[in-house]
Amino acid sequence: DTGVSQDPRHKITKRGQNVTFRCDPISEHNRLYWYRQTLGQGPEFLTYFQNEAQLEKSRLLSDRFSAERPKGSFSTLEIQRTEQGDSAMYLCAIPWSPGTDTQYFGPGTRLTVL
Amino acid sequence: DQQVKQNSPSLSVQEGRISILNCDYTNSMFDYFLWYKKYPAEGPTFLISISSIKDKNEDGRFTVFLNKSAKHLSLHIVPSQPGDSAVYFCAASGNSGGSNYKLTFGKGTLLTVNP
Repeated sequence: DTGVSQDPRHKITKRGQNVTFRCDPISEHNRLYWYRQTLGQGPEFLTYFQNEAQLEKSRLLSDRFSAERPKGSFSTLEIQRTEQGDSAMYLCAIPWSPGTDTQYFGPGTRLTVL
Repeated sequence: DQQVKQNSPSLSVQEGRISILNCDYTNSMFDYFLWYKKYPAEGPTFLISISSIKDKNEDGRFTVFLNKSAKHLSLHIVPSQPGDSAVYFCAASGNSGGSNYKLTFGKGTLLTVNP
């Protein structure tokens, strides 16, 4: 148990639909990260939160993607007008302790866009 | 531009022998390196890490070696066990210049340990 849960674990949707994923750390962490992993690749950084503030967004995060962390605890990642290229594993990660580079990952949400 | 490279997509080893997984990086601002293990349909699991001020870190059967001048690190698993079969990712981070500790991953190496 890494202390991070993600919901749903799997999501199948049709192209053009909107989807939302949720990440829940079991305890408070000031930093929270989202990554995406596609087939044959390592996880790639998407975005980063320091408390409620979204401080960095990757160029991978197009205008169709939006992420929030409204109370500095859980976070949501929404994809609007999904495309087949959005099919991937979406991973949430938290640092295990403040000031450490080590990140612990949740189980991920597997998105399949038909 | 691949800043972290794992040039071996796969590695097959006999149970009980040593597994050596390699990783190269290009960004000299990286100062912390990690290895993760990943099974299909699960998130990466942290294995071991090393700071750039060290050249070796050991944890049980896992040892990571860092050669800063060569920008190379390796993960040694001794002895290898069938349960070690998984994809192994090398990752790097550095907070210099406000990188916010984000991780940059290699593409992974599939390790198969044969009984």
